[in-house]
Amino acid sequence: KQEVTQIPAALSVPEGENLVLNCSFTDSAIYNLQWFRQDPGKGLTSLLLIQSSQREQTSGRLNASLDKSSGRSTLYIAASQPGDSATYLCAVPEGAQKLVFGQGTRLTINP
Amino acid sequence: GAVVSQHPSRVICKSGTSVKIECRSLDFQATTMFWYRQFPKQSLMLMATSNEGSKATYEQGVEKDKFLINHASLTLSTLTVTSAHPEDSSFYICSVPFPGFSEAFFGQGTRLTVV
Repeated sequence: KQEVTQIPAALSVPEGENLVLNCSFTDSAIYNLQWFRQDPGKGLTSLLLIQSSQREQTSGRLNASLDKSSGRSTLYIAASQPGDSATYLCAVPEGAQKLVFGQGTRLTINP
Repeated sequence: GAVVSQHPSRVICKSGTSVKIECRSLDFQATTMFWYRQFPKQSLMLMATSNEGSKATYEQGVEKDKFLINHASLTLSTLTVTSAHPEDSSFYICSVPFPGFSEAFFGQGTRLTVV
């Protein structure tokens, strides 16, 4: 059974810093990996989707990498801003596209 | 624009009553939709898979008679929490997978509070 782990559980950094969020999964036979953002009390916003054949994806200040063989993905956020404060979730599909989520990293960017 | 529309976004109900939550796929037809639940400070856990034209598939530990799922059309799935109790208070969110093992799109979520 697929298990997804995210570390750290919480992270607080000053504005402007670059930071890395980590995600690991136990079964490397994945089709893709998706990173989401969740604001308090809100739904999920898809940030980046990495297909199993890809090594990384970039969107603006966000860069996600995928190393299937080691069961790891990282989300790199450059030049962090207070508006980046949210919970970041990674997820991988299991079976027919149902997603298995990590516990999330609660990120706080301090002005 | 939104790909998935979920209503209501917030509902408060009395213990013992039933609540219906709707999930609509706006941009494409979906034979499958997923319902997740998120308790405070926890991650999302899959509750059930909604299948158009057939019975839903429930995850272990989820009571199918309590959480009724109806996939009435290729664009609409509903989750009804029957005889709600305070322990059912949670954040419920639906997901529609884009065809072909690609992205999953999520609704805005429903915050259910049972008093």
